[in-house]
Amino acid sequence: GQNIDQPTEMTATEGAIVQINCTYQTSGFNGLFWYQQHAGEAPTFLSYNVLDGLEEKGRFSSFLSRSKGYSYLLLKELQMKDSASYLCAVDNLFFGTGTRLTVIP
Amino acid sequence: SQTIHQWPATLVQPVGSPLSLECTVEGTSNPNLYWYRQAAGRGLQLLFYSVGIGQISSEVPQNLSASRPQDRQFILSSKKLLLSDSGFYLCAWDAGGMGGYTFGSGTRLTVV
Repeated sequence: GQNIDQPTEMTATEGAIVQINCTYQTSGFNGLFWYQQHAGEAPTFLSYNVLDGLEEKGRFSSFLSRSKGYSYLLLKELQMKDSASYLCAVDNLFFGTGTRLTVIP
Repeated sequence: SQTIHQWPATLVQPVGSPLSLECTVEGTSNPNLYWYRQAAGRGLQLLFYSVGIGQISSEVPQNLSASRPQDRQFILSSKKLLLSDSGFYLCAWDAGGMGGYTFGSGTRLTVV
């Protein structure tokens, strides 16, 4: 498998911006994916990167640097409903354990 | 529109008992289908995937098996459950190509 590392927990304030990082140890892959998972529910797809750079989808953006083995998910204008776990995945085959984000008022 | 159904939502089974979890997809043809398991404190683990009827690929050797008897039906089975089989089982599909997967609502299995 691949070593995919994400911070375990993060806390951010409503209305703020938060960046969730993901590092991985593989060089050959097609895409890096991000999912949101609310407690007790199934993951839902957010964004993916094939090429290096930033992909923007509304309040969510994802960035990939293959040379650095690094990706991040950027959430803007945080809302309380964004409190969830965020999963990073390489090729939908290898998933990180997720970052649990808590949004506070 | 495409929908994915997975049942049951929760299941409590004794050690050594059999297992059958079913997943069906509607609104699409020839989907790629996947079974994942999410154990407490661990990332999603891909167990099986299928690109067509009767075609099953296993990612992790274990006492589980999968079958695809129809184009839009994917079944996860076990003849004898182990305590370590407890977890959150998720079915997913995609149409091929790049993009994220769509997950079913999941089955929370507790083996006692």
